[in-house]
Amino acid sequence: DTEVTQTPKHLVMGMTNKKSLKCEQHMGHRAMYWYKQKAKKPPELMFVYSYEKLSINESVPSRFSPECPNSSLLNLHLHALQPEDSALYLCASSQVDGNTIYFGEGSWLTVV
Amino acid sequence: GQNIDQPTEMTATEGAIVQINCTYQTSGFNGLFWYQQHAGEAPTFLSYNVLDGLEEKGRFSSFLSRSKGYSYLLLKELQMKDSASYLCAVSDNPFGNTPLVFGKGTRLSVIA
Repeated sequence: DTEVTQTPKHLVMGMTNKKSLKCEQHMGHRAMYWYKQKAKKPPELMFVYSYEKLSINESVPSRFSPECPNSSLLNLHLHALQPEDSALYLCASSQVDGNTIYFGEGSWLTVV
Repeated sequence: GQNIDQPTEMTATEGAIVQINCTYQTSGFNGLFWYQQHAGEAPTFLSYNVLDGLEEKGRFSSFLSRSKGYSYLLLKELQMKDSASYLCAVSDNPFGNTPLVFGKGTRLSVIA
């Protein structure tokens, strides 16, 4: 099983809403990542968790709040987003020693 | 700092061979990855090089020269379904947990 599963696949939310993106993997990976990708741009790293602890936060605004409840799950809580936050949000996972990173199919987020 | 360069667009003919180049300048190096991304989909892992030389996997091959900061992805017997963006990504942390830094991607169009 080399799957990273993300839900929902599509989300439309208002600027005052609170929503969450969810990610799950069962490959035994202890590093998990959130990337943001705008149209025709490469993925940009947002957060990295190693052994369920936040290890990297790439200066992401506080309206994005990551959470890693256990070694298989990674959430991204969204609150008071702006229209410019509309993008594809990609979850990924890997072994901590980092060779191959596997991506989920992404969650398309539209902020209205 | 990190800098990863690859051509923005390429066009090639079905059945032909195409080479997509990538040059990188990073503070550290723990491997270079190539990902394929079809429009509207998540990146899919193609190859990983950490030592100099050529890695072959079916119709796709990837080459790395660490001394030159250079890699290429070679696609043989091109098919229409190979039309996609190809992302070069570098892992720059030699000490484990290795989030990727992506180049801007090369959009490959395969024509009949």
